[in-house]
Amino acid sequence: KNEVEQSPQNLTAQEGEFITINCSYSVGISALHWLQQHPGGGIVSLFMLSSGKKKHGRLIATINIQEKHSSLHITASHPRDSAVYICAVRNRQGAQKLVFGQGTRLTINP
Amino acid sequence: NAGVTQTPKFRVLKTGQSMTLLCAQDMNHEYMYWYRQDPGMGLRLIHYSVGEGTTAKGEVPDGYNVSRLKKQNFLLGLESAAPSQTSVYFCASSYSDRGTEAFFGQGTRLTVV
Repeated sequence: KNEVEQSPQNLTAQEGEFITINCSYSVGISALHWLQQHPGGGIVSLFMLSSGKKKHGRLIATINIQEKHSSLHITASHPRDSAVYICAVRNRQGAQKLVFGQGTRLTINP
Repeated sequence: NAGVTQTPKFRVLKTGQSMTLLCAQDMNHEYMYWYRQDPGMGLRLIHYSVGEGTTAKGEVPDGYNVSRLKKQNFLLGLESAAPSQTSVYFCASSYSDRGTEAFFGQGTRLTVV
């Protein structure tokens, strides 16, 4: 079993819909990252969080440390949000390393 | 502000050839990492460095070597490329290992034929 599991693996929605991507992890962590990767493009960091909730524009990230679970929400989704969203955790034990989920491929249709 | 820059962006190698991928960062970060990304798998750590002159093995180090002679540069070498090394390679850097954001390069798409 992977240390970081994301769901769903693929998600297709219509423009304007509220999107939720989930990330569960099995290890103690010092931080959790949400990353975005556009097709053929580089990886951009969206959020880094260790507790609570963060918001940036239409994106919201939450984390529940006790349940070892995080969610990424997108409000009023737009076709330009189409990308792969990756969850990564920094293991409290091996803190130099990020452990990545397999990613969620999001497609927003106009 | 360039951030993290990888060169080259694309490369095709024949089996047995060698090459070096360069990662440069201008943020004075101590930590630098090389990852590979393969279909259906998350990014996997190849090697990393916690400072100038230091390197360490990651999850999948076989077939690769690295060097960090200058703080701003982290080189990934393939001495004898194999088709199994066909992948997209990402470099990343961060100021420290705890609670700091990681910055990624644009990736290098390598094909070994």
